[in-house]
Amino acid sequence: AQSVTQLDSHVSVSEGTPVLLRCNYSSSYSPSLFWYVQHPNKGLQLLLKYTSAATLVKGINGFEAEFKKSETSFHLTKPSAHMSDAAEYFCVVSGGPNSGGSNYKLTFGKGTLLTVNP
Amino acid sequence: DTAVSQTPKYLVTQMGNDKSIKCEQNLGHDTMYWYKQDSKKFLKIMFSYNNKELIINETVPNRFSPKSPDKAHLNLHINSLELGDSAVYFCASSPPLSYEQYFGPGTRLTVT
Repeated sequence: AQSVTQLDSHVSVSEGTPVLLRCNYSSSYSPSLFWYVQHPNKGLQLLLKYTSAATLVKGINGFEAEFKKSETSFHLTKPSAHMSDAAEYFCVVSGGPNSGGSNYKLTFGKGTLLTVNP
Repeated sequence: DTAVSQTPKYLVTQMGNDKSIKCEQNLGHDTMYWYKQDSKKFLKIMFSYNNKELIINETVPNRFSPKSPDKAHLNLHINSLELGDSAVYFCASSPPLSYEQYFGPGTRLTVT
């Protein structure tokens, strides 16, 4: 079984300040973890992914996330927020390579709405 | 353009009707998915097909029936639509031996 908890439903930052979106996961297997972004009335875009290689993962638009097995966390960060970062962010876990039939199945967190104030 | 595409983008219909949503990907992927996003933005997988074979079938009412005529297409047919079916439906695909998925733009279904 696998699950994801996004600790904040809404995060508000000022433009130019750091962003931290928190995510904790639970998985019976070595998981693959993802962050997706959804801008208003748009589809989902993959920001970055962790698949058991380097624990610090860099993604698009200056975002990065660190996989911490001891804390079962995969928090998303960005040093300086931009107005265009305002969107819904989803932390996602998949079963990983040893999870049998569930390795194709993505489990989504409930999302964190990021607002960026000028 | 290479992408996952869905038609229609918006669908408004009355309770009791039957409707279909189509999905096509030209990325050469083997696996395709349908997700439902509710009004609170929560996304849940409904079905997945790998090379036209059903591999994931979550607890979804029998009124929902996926069909994959070939590995580039995965359609979703819904019978006897209900108010609770109102949502945004996303199609996605993934390449072989990969866990990342590429999403279509979504179909907003409104049942009145």
